[in-house]
Amino acid sequence: DIQMTQSPSSLSASVGDRVTITCRASQTISSNLNWYQQKAGKAPNLLIYVASSLQSGVPSRFSGSGSGTDFTLTISSLQPEDFATYYCQQSYSNPRTFGQGTKVEIK
Amino acid sequence: VQLVESGGGLVQPGGSLRLSCAASGFTFSSYWMTWVRQAPGKGLEWVANIKQDGSEKNYVDSVKGRFTISRDNAKNSLYLQMNSLRAEDTAVYYCARDGTVRGIIAYFYYMDAWGKGTTVTVSS
Repeated sequence: DIQMTQSPSSLSASVGDRVTITCRASQTISSNLNWYQQKAGKAPNLLIYVASSLQSGVPSRFSGSGSGTDFTLTISSLQPEDFATYYCQQSYSNPRTFGQGTKVEIK
Repeated sequence: VQLVESGGGLVQPGGSLRLSCAASGFTFSSYWMTWVRQAPGKGLEWVANIKQDGSEKNYVDSVKGRFTISRDNAKNSLYLQMNSLRAEDTAVYYCARDGTVRGIIAYFYYMDAWGKGTTVTVSS
């Protein structure tokens, strides 16, 4: 199985900050990488697919990059509604594993 | 697009439960479908997926031989039959639709619609 490792596991940031979350795959996954946001008590929500494509309706302050084994999710200017947990997920092969999550908290 | 899970509840270890997911607002038979779970206070875990016509199914190792994913395209419904349940199966179970985009040599998949989840508790 492909292992997905996110860093950091948690971070504290202020409104307006630029935030970067990284995700590393244990083997190459091309661009088969998706990012999800999950708020407490809610279902996950797709943000980015195929490493860098912005899902419809997602604000443009979210962006994704990378290919192969190393990927990044960037929030250009953190907003109050962005405090949540973020997960990467590979869809290169089954089982389509998730990273352990990165919790973004208010500083 | 709407996905509504049902069938969760409290079950004893070794027991069985069948989860359902009712889909609406899209052509259900055109999509791969997936089950994802989340144990209390933990991260997301991909559980199983099923091809549009049910001819291909995949499972995470921890549920192989115990869980069975199935679908009824005539009823726009996805199922997860869970047998020999263990305490570690306690989680919120989500069903999700697999969106697809065609690449140069292969398809890319991503979960673009999710239900609100149903809670399964395995405890004596």
